[in-house]
Amino acid sequence: SYVLTQPPSVSVAPGKAATITCGGDNIGTQAVHWYQQKPGQAPVLVVYDDSDRPSGIPERFSGSNSGTTATLTISRVEAGDEADYYCQVWDERSDQVVFGGGTELTVL
Amino acid sequence: QVQLVQSGAELRKPGASVKVSCKASGYTFTDYYIHWVRQAPGQGLEWMGWINPKTGGTDYAQKFQGRVTMTRDTSINTTYMDLGRLRSDETAVYYCARSGLRFGELLQFDYWGHGTLVTVSS
Repeated sequence: SYVLTQPPSVSVAPGKAATITCGGDNIGTQAVHWYQQKPGQAPVLVVYDDSDRPSGIPERFSGSNSGTTATLTISRVEAGDEADYYCQVWDERSDQVVFGGGTELTVL
Repeated sequence: QVQLVQSGAELRKPGASVKVSCKASGYTFTDYYIHWVRQAPGQGLEWMGWINPKTGGTDYAQKFQGRVTMTRDTSINTTYMDLGRLRSDETAVYYCARSGLRFGELLQFDYWGHGTLVTVSS
């Protein structure tokens, strides 16, 4: 089955940029979506189709995808960005939805 | 506005089954797939499967095949997830989420329910 690999944790100082990676075999050929989840809340879509943002999501959130790694970048990080972030794809070969293991973002 | 409202918390004994509902509003119910995703305490997101509300067609994650059933009632815009033979390690928050379909490709989960806590304990 298809596996997505994320770092368990990322730390960043306020005002700096945070980069969260999502690795997978040939992931660059697939559409990657990113979700933000704060404690006790349902996930929220922050980036879809590699780099598009839903309405209401700040421009500080951006994404890219190439080769074996997709990346979520949060620029000018704020305390309110502290959350768990998950990448997700639909694996066409198995017709299964796959989530990465999640990355806990800590704002120092 | 789009809303997915789920049923309340449940307590079940090991070996029992649970049925969780997800009522949609604010959009055409049959235009989007409904997925079920669960999250054990302190763990990540785990996809369980989807239902196509228009046709009733389903697809389940291999891990849950034979134990999960997803159904819908189009008269009340509600989908259901029935999970049987529960184990104590399946205590989790169960979410429903909506996705579109584009040329056969499942799209992103753009709206989520608030989640339903299912506790499995003797």
